[in-house]
Parts: sequence; structure tokens; C-alpha cells
Amino acid sequence: QITLKESGPTLVKPTQTLMLTCTFSGFSLSTSAVGVGWIRQPPGKALEWLALIYWDDGKRYSPSLKSRLTITKDTAKNQVVLTLTNVDPVDTATYYCSHRRIAAATFDYWGQGILVTVSS
Amino acid sequence: QSVLTQPPSASGTPGQRVTISCSGSSSNIGSNTVNWYQQVPGTAPKLLIYSNNQRPSGVPDRFSASKSGTSASLAISGLQSEDEADYYCAAWDDSLNVEVFGTGTKVTVL
Repeated sequence: QITLKESGPTLVKPTQTLMLTCTFSGFSLSTSAVGVGWIRQPPGKALEWLALIYWDDGKRYSPSLKSRLTITKDTAKNQVVLTLTNVDPVDTATYYCSHRRIAAATFDYWGQGILVTVSS
Repeated sequence: QSVLTQPPSASGTPGQRVTISCSGSSSNIGSNTVNWYQQVPGTAPKLLIYSNNQRPSGVPDRFSASKSGTSASLAISGLQSEDEADYYCAAWDDSLNVEVFGTGTKVTVL
């Protein structure tokens, strides 16, 4: 059974760096054709894809946020970390991590999400 | 920055059929498969349809989907109260090199 859970701060100040951790079980990021992605959702708004990391350490970023985002993985710990620098109130959102099934190009399992508020 | 366009709302009475459209372009829906996600308010999205028309295990066959050219659609037959949720289409965009999501459609069961 695949499960994912996001963790990190729920309140950050503008200009600070946000670091979120996705801890997962039920699969390994060393297994071929697997990935983990991050998606966010501002309150009352649509989903926005942020970043994706593949089993082979390949990475993809949203072009609009690429200069501020970093995604890394720790295969031994079954964790993926997303870092967002220089946060702004518009970055207030629920952040989800999700298992990516490469063959089907789909996010088939999702974490519960973590609401991050950016405010001074 | 939703690239895929959906109607903001759809509604029906229990038992009715509701259809949701998703309009994209040649670089996303026209080139890649479409997925659909259901999001009940206050919860995480759930995969409803993948690879244009495939249902994951456990998804009722009341849900069906199709794709034609640069558009896709999701149909809910025999609408039930538990189907009240937001629905999002998604696809990879070869030009932007991102996964793009739709604007979302809120389904209300009257």
C-alpha cells in the first residue's frame, strides 16, 4: 500500500525559505519508472504543478518558479524534499506530494497535504 | 496558470448524467494522455481516470471519460450525492515541459 505524508512549517515569513518533506512508504524511488511530484493549491483555487523528481534523479520544474525551487530525494530515507526560496504571501497554499507512475503519466497516490501560510 | 479550460460548474439531480469538458491544445491534450482527479472539499485529490479512459481499481463504472483531438470529457452517470466535488483534468504539456491542470469544475448534486 502506497502512502505519502507532507511535513514542514505551517507558517513562514515573507522572504524566508520554505522546506517541505514528503515521507513515503510502499514504493522505492530507486525503482524504475517511478517519481514523486509536488503540487500546490492556493485557498479556493486550482491545482498547480510545481516539480517532479524521477527514480534516476531526473528533475523537472515549473518554469514560472524554477529559479526558486529545488527538489531532492533521499532514497534510503524514502523522502523527497522541496525547497522554495524567497516566499511571498501568494505562495500561501496547501502543498501536496504525490506518487508519479511514469508509464501512465499520472499522479496515482497523494498525500493529505499541508497548508502553508506566508505572513509576517 | 491553468492551461486547460473547464466550465466552472455543473449540476444535476440524483440519477442524472453530467458531463464536464476540458479544452487544451496540441502541446498537451493533443499530444499526451489525459487524467482526471476528484477532490472532495477539504481532502486531497484522488485519481479518477488515467490514460484518457482507464479507471483505477475501486472507481465506480459510473465514471467514464474520452478524448478527441485537443479536448477531453468526463461523464458521471447515475449521479449520486457523494459525487459532489471538484473535478480537474490534467495532462503533460510538451511545450511548457510541465504537468498542466484544468481550471476545475465544481459538481453540485441538486
